[in-house]
Amino acid sequence: GNSVTQMEGPVTLSEEAFLTINCTYTATGYPSLFWYVQYPGEGLQLLLKATKADDKGSNKGFEATYRKETTSFHLEKGSVQVSDSAVYFCALSESVGTSYGKLTFGQGTILTVHP
Amino acid sequence: GAVVSQHPSRVICKSGTSVKIECRSLDFQATTMFWYRQFPKQSLMLMATSNEGSKATYEQGVEKDKFLINHASLTLSTLTVTSAHPEDSSFYICSARGGGTFYEQYFGPGTRLTVT
Repeated sequence: GNSVTQMEGPVTLSEEAFLTINCTYTATGYPSLFWYVQYPGEGLQLLLKATKADDKGSNKGFEATYRKETTSFHLEKGSVQVSDSAVYFCALSESVGTSYGKLTFGQGTILTVHP
Repeated sequence: GAVVSQHPSRVICKSGTSVKIECRSLDFQATTMFWYRQFPKQSLMLMATSNEGSKATYEQGVEKDKFLINHASLTLSTLTVTSAHPEDSSFYICSARGGGTFYEQYFGPGTRLTVT
């Protein structure tokens, strides 16, 4: 079956530091890959996505590149802000088959950014 | 943007009672809704998928008689935890998908259930 593995947190950084959250996956088909963010007290929001190999998703200064050869989708940001403090989830979804449209999530990584 | 609400946000109930959680899509029609369960410091686990007017499809290992899902309209799905026990205590999250791409899901803020 499909699975997603994220680096364990929590991750604590100072403002303007560089962020990397590692994510690797296993899938039976050709999944689309996502990063979701959950701010305190709110629902998950789609941060960025990539639907095929070598695609780069980007949003709000965050980037992730779909690497099929390493089955990875690492999240990066060059300079984090206090407002980026949240829980980040890596996820995948299949576009065909019995898992169509279903999201498989990693365990989530808590990010705390200090001023 | 698409908004999904959940009610209640927190509920405490006694062991043996039933609890109903509502999930509503506020500004779009949700043809499909998903229910997830999240344990502390763990990932979201898909419990079931429901399509409006159809019976829900449950993931392996999820007791359908314990977790009753009803998707009676295009804007409302309910999850009823029947005869709740302390091990059912968890964070329950719903998401909804309209007519967009296969991966577009909009998430509710979640419901914290505590069974005493």
